[in-house]
Amino acid sequence: DIQMTQSPSSLSASVGDRVTISCRTSQGIYNSLAWYQQKPGKVPRLLIYAASTLQSGVPSRFSGSGSGTDFALTISSLQPEDVATYYCQNSHSGPLTFGGGTTVEIK
Amino acid sequence: EMQLVESGGGLVQPGRSLRLSCAASGFSFADYALHWVRQAPGKGLEWVSGITWDNVIIGYAESVRGRFTISRDNPKTSLYLQMDSLRPEDTALYYCVRSTPTTWALDVWGKGTTVTASS
Repeated sequence: DIQMTQSPSSLSASVGDRVTISCRTSQGIYNSLAWYQQKPGKVPRLLIYAASTLQSGVPSRFSGSGSGTDFALTISSLQPEDVATYYCQNSHSGPLTFGGGTTVEIK
Repeated sequence: EMQLVESGGGLVQPGRSLRLSCAASGFSFADYALHWVRQAPGKGLEWVSGITWDNVIIGYAESVRGRFTISRDNPKTSLYLQMDSLRPEDTALYYCVRSTPTTWALDVWGKGTTVTASS
């Protein structure tokens, strides 16, 4: 099974800051990586698929990059409504494992 | 509007079985792969299992392999998860989820049904 390692597990940043979350996989998965946002008490929401393709309706301040084993989610200018936990997911082959999550808070 | 509505959750004793159902509407059900994802209280997301549009099993999480079985009925636009030999660690909110047409990224989520395995 492909292992997913996200870092950091949590972060605190100011409104307007650039925030980057890392995801590393135990084996190469080409660009088959997705990112999700889950706000407290809510259903997860797909943000990015195929490593860098923005899902419809997602603000352009979110972007994804990477391929192979190293990926990143970047929020270019953190907003109060971005407070959430973010997960990466292997979308290459089963089992479709998730990372452990990164909780983003406002400083 | 695309919708996935889960049902069948509840309180069950460890070792017993439960069958979850997911009713889909608002999209061409037979064209999409579907999945079950769970979230234990206060924990992260765990992909449980998935099945392609033509009934090929994508896989199972190691934690449920040999105990859970995924299936679907395209004419009934329904997805199922048969859960046998339930354990306390299976306690979670179970989501029914659709993947995108061209990838296994998960783009449409139900609201979930809660399973509690406890004596």
